[in-house]
Amino acid sequence: SSELTQDPAVSVALGQTVRITCQGDTLRRYYASWYQQKPGQAPVFVIYGENNRPSGIPDRFSGSSSGNTASLTITGAQAEDEADYYCNSRITSGQHVFGTGTRVTVL
Amino acid sequence: QVQLVESGGGVVQPGRSLRLSCAASGFLFSNYPMHWVRQAPGKGLEWVAVIAHDANREYYADSVKGRFTIARDNFENTLYLEMKSLRVEDTAVYYCGREIFSTSGSYYDYWGQGTLVTVSS
Repeated sequence: SSELTQDPAVSVALGQTVRITCQGDTLRRYYASWYQQKPGQAPVFVIYGENNRPSGIPDRFSGSSSGNTASLTITGAQAEDEADYYCNSRITSGQHVFGTGTRVTVL
Repeated sequence: QVQLVESGGGVVQPGRSLRLSCAASGFLFSNYPMHWVRQAPGKGLEWVAVIAHDANREYYADSVKGRFTIARDNFENTLYLEMKSLRVEDTAVYYCGREIFSTSGSYYDYWGQGTLVTVSS
């Protein structure tokens, strides 16, 4: 399958930890990257590879992967982390695919 | 600094054509694969197409294959998306994005702000 499946929505209390998962067969071969999107804005990439953060992304964002599942963890969630999060990966045909997206609500 | 600026969106009738452009600046455009990604109103991101840095390979999402063509002009630093036989379901904000391909996987490090395409009669 070339799909990437994410939970539609998760909520987290301010300052607590939330983990967002992304499942798909292609993740056994290719790394996922993760994107944060706030309403009316273009996506911003937050994690790539096993666990790499671009400059400017807070270290409360981290990534991991195992088998067919990639995860994005926010440790100590802040109000500004409330957003939609998408995973992305290559698939063997040369195409790419986005996950179904997870809306994170910070309570 | 790196900038990607899309243009060409608008309202178009079903079955008609439209060409989007993405003007790149602030980096050596010819070194990077480039992508189009779209987002229908209230929906998630959908990958559309990619073109290799030298334009010798292209790949498309099944939903647009045969109708859309991605192209680039490495002298004008511009990416294009030619869209034909447009359908109502092609209505979306279209983003261009720059791909970085590394040993740590590939990712889109810069995105444009998007251009809205509305397909409606």
